[in-house]
Amino acid sequence: NAGVTQTPKFQVLKTGQSMTLQCAQDMNHEYMSWYRQDPGMGLRLIHYSVGAGITDQGEVPNGYNVSRSTTEDFPLRLLSAAPSQTSVYFCASSYSYRYTDTQYFGPGTRLTVL
Amino acid sequence: AQKVTQAQTEISVVEKEDVTLDCVYETRDTTYYLFWYKQPPSGELVFLIRRNSFDEQNEISGRYSWNFQKSTSSFNFTITASQVVDSAVYFCALSEPPTSGTYKYIFGTGTRLKVLA
Repeated sequence: NAGVTQTPKFQVLKTGQSMTLQCAQDMNHEYMSWYRQDPGMGLRLIHYSVGAGITDQGEVPNGYNVSRSTTEDFPLRLLSAAPSQTSVYFCASSYSYRYTDTQYFGPGTRLTVL
Repeated sequence: AQKVTQAQTEISVVEKEDVTLDCVYETRDTTYYLFWYKQPPSGELVFLIRRNSFDEQNEISGRYSWNFQKSTSSFNFTITASQVVDSAVYFCALSEPPTSGTYKYIFGTGTRLKVLA
């Protein structure tokens, strides 16, 4: 199993550009999520999905869109990049959406918006 | 309110020293789970341990041990005989039953551990 994979590892964007961060998991996990990591702030939840076709907002959703057309994939779209979106982005998955489950994280994408 | 506090921003130790990373949490529920993750310099987040609120036994895994104390709402992590490879940022996280929607992890801000040779 590859686990949770993310592409790209690094990306530089100009303000106003759009892009999609890819996330895939091969563990048949029901729950997938996106976090951003900023210095001194831990990890904050952007969006999450409890299954194909079902997504919802986390605590910092503005400026981001998600969709989940398959169990395996959960892309994160930046509609119009802003410097405030410079961050490290992590995708995670867990077997179910129960709070008892362990989330497993991808390797992260480091995004810089100029 | 849910909250996880890792008051130690950065700790430096010399190799072979023991080191304890503190994690204090606040929760509105009697049922919850606590987690520790390691983030080495390469950047990925590695799961270390999951502990539920009903199991207060200490856990040991090699040089790693965890002390869970409900009375003080703490879930501290000790590395015995630290090694340079232990240098990383360590995150503590809390998960509890949601009041609406689905659950989310509440992460602490992390503790950066530097182990010097």
